[in-house]
Amino acid sequence: KAGVTQTPRYLIKTRGQQVTLSCSPISGHRSVSWYQQTPGQGLQFLFEYFSETQRNKGNFPGRFSGRQFSNSRSEMNVSTLELGDSALYLCASSYSGGAGYNEQFFGPGTRLTVL
Amino acid sequence: KNEVEQSPQNLTAQEGEFITINCSYSVGISALHWLQQHPGGGIVSLFMLSSGKKKHGRLIATINIQEKHSSLHITASHPRDSAVYICAGSIRDDKIIFGKGTRLHILP
Repeated sequence: KAGVTQTPRYLIKTRGQQVTLSCSPISGHRSVSWYQQTPGQGLQFLFEYFSETQRNKGNFPGRFSGRQFSNSRSEMNVSTLELGDSALYLCASSYSGGAGYNEQFFGPGTRLTVL
Repeated sequence: KNEVEQSPQNLTAQEGEFITINCSYSVGISALHWLQQHPGGGIVSLFMLSSGKKKHGRLIATINIQEKHSSLHITASHPRDSAVYICAGSIRDDKIIFGKGTRLHILP
């Protein structure tokens, strides 16, 4: 079974631009969660989608948004990029529920650099 | 103060040593996760537990709900175990909070 895939793997943007990252979960998994990892803050939960609905959201500004499609693929969007948005963005999929009840399978991440 | 605290932050040991990484949390959790992150960023979920003890190969994870404490043990450590180990807790509404990680370096 193929693992979680994320595209692109690396991205360079400038301040003020917007960016869209994509995550394809393991086949059959319906829950996709997104995380941001920075050297200063470590890993932080962004949001979780299940059956095309956002179920949970972390403490991030509205510039961070996401969606999930009927095939469970998910995208996250960051608008009006700031230097502090430079990070590794990870997505993780699980079969049904969120992190409280199901093992999470992580993708390789997208490393975003904002100049 | 972080809601999930790990110790030590860094650990260097010789191949073959028994390794213990500790995790304490200050909030109610429904599950405790141990994750492994290798250079390059890929994260692997090692354990998810809500009580007792789990073992997988040379790795053992324990949790004490009353004391809000979990430990990850590695027996007969090997250089390929070198990685960052992250403890995370699932809290209300399935949100997850992470420790800062323990950087483990096993010397051959």
